[in-house]
Amino acid sequence: NAGVTQTPKFQVLKTGQSMTLQCAQDMNHNSMYWYRQDPGMGLRLIYYSASEGTTDKGEVPNGYNVSRLNKREFSLRLESAAPSQTSVYFCASSVRGRGTGELFFGEGSRLTVL
Amino acid sequence: AQSVTQLGSHVSVSEGALVLLRCNYSSSVPPYLFWYVQYPNQGLQLLLKYTSAATLVKGINGFEAEFKKSETSFHLTKPSAHMSDAAEYFCAVREYNNNDMRFGAGTRLTVKP
Repeated sequence: NAGVTQTPKFQVLKTGQSMTLQCAQDMNHNSMYWYRQDPGMGLRLIYYSASEGTTDKGEVPNGYNVSRLNKREFSLRLESAAPSQTSVYFCASSVRGRGTGELFFGEGSRLTVL
Repeated sequence: AQSVTQLGSHVSVSEGALVLLRCNYSSSVPPYLFWYVQYPNQGLQLLLKYTSAATLVKGINGFEAEFKKSETSFHLTKPSAHMSDAAEYFCAVREYNNNDMRFGAGTRLTVKP
């Protein structure tokens, strides 16, 4: 009963390094999301994928890229990490992007950029 | 675009007291509204959601919320706080014709013995 699985759970990077956060869901959901959580700011949407083969920008997409690899997997890439990207990143999925479908979240990936 | 404002970043109550966490939303079209809870070092989990079927929504763990269109509010309440309710709570909104869900800044609930 895995739900949404994120890897890695912790990562420390130096400024300018690149990395990819992986996310997979086993609930056959159509829509997937990447959020970042910062103190006092709640969760802010980085990118989302309403369905396989589509991706769209959210509130804070700068410095990130995403790939919807297949229906199960949605990765987030930082090409050149900056200290401002130090955050906790959450992947989420929902049955459908529109309407009443709630989000199911992974446990988060804590990223520190030095 | 839709948005959510949560009044009060920290709320402290005594065990057994009423819990009231405030949420106001902004939306140009009918919204769907959600409350999520986050325990330390975990992801968010759904407490309850408003989907226009009923204005008073009951969720898990004894929480409920009332949708008030005239006040653009969706406040979360629980009659009697329990120590296990200590967590961070997030209100979220999604417009019915939109894909993304927007979250408030969160309210950290502390329960004193």
